[in-house]
Amino acid sequence: GAGVSQSPRYKVAKRGQDVALRCDPISGHVSLFWYQQALGQGPEFLTYFQNEAQLDKSGLPSDRFFAERPEGSVSTLKIQRTQQEDSAVYLCASSWRGQGGYEQYFGPGTRLTVT
Amino acid sequence: GESVGLHLPTLSVQEGDNSIINCAYSNSASDYFIWYKQESGKGPQFIIDIRSNMDKRQGQRVTVLLNKTVKHLSLQIAATQPGDSAVYFCAAEALSGTALIFGKGTTLSVSS
Repeated sequence: GAGVSQSPRYKVAKRGQDVALRCDPISGHVSLFWYQQALGQGPEFLTYFQNEAQLDKSGLPSDRFFAERPEGSVSTLKIQRTQQEDSAVYLCASSWRGQGGYEQYFGPGTRLTVT
Repeated sequence: GESVGLHLPTLSVQEGDNSIINCAYSNSASDYFIWYKQESGKGPQFIIDIRSNMDKRQGQRVTVLLNKTVKHLSLQIAATQPGDSAVYFCAAEALSGTALIFGKGTTLSVSS
């Protein structure tokens, strides 16, 4: 079946612009995660949704970062007034269970470059 | 805070050799561990996982060993193939019970 998809795959933004990154999880998956991956590093957790509820946003680096999943399926990560340090790959993952201890399936990521 | 680290950033092996990638974690309360493979330009791909009530789990050509006493995790790949060349990450479930905490990754290079 279809895996996690993300769009766009690449995004170039000028410093100060707002961006929106989309994630389509695997159909029926309850949990959805966003991670940020800097070059040469492992992914770092940003936020977690169980259905439409955002249960953990402890990893969001600043109030410029905002995520939503209004209908419990597609999710959007929005970054306002982008800065150069926001340049990274943004990964979305989904899991079929609404609790931990199960594998998370990752999408291909969106590479954001802020110039 | 919670952390996960890898012992070696790079590993080079010959095709057909067995590979061992090591990982250490800081939180003794971690209950779930997972290994991912990431190829260039792609998202992490699930390889194998293990829960804290086990010390070994085997998959196809891969084995994960968990030593809770020293908080150490390893991934063994049997008969390594060129297609195994990638960055390998271990991850531990955070105390929150949802987020995964990743190490920095080991780049495995397989030469034929």
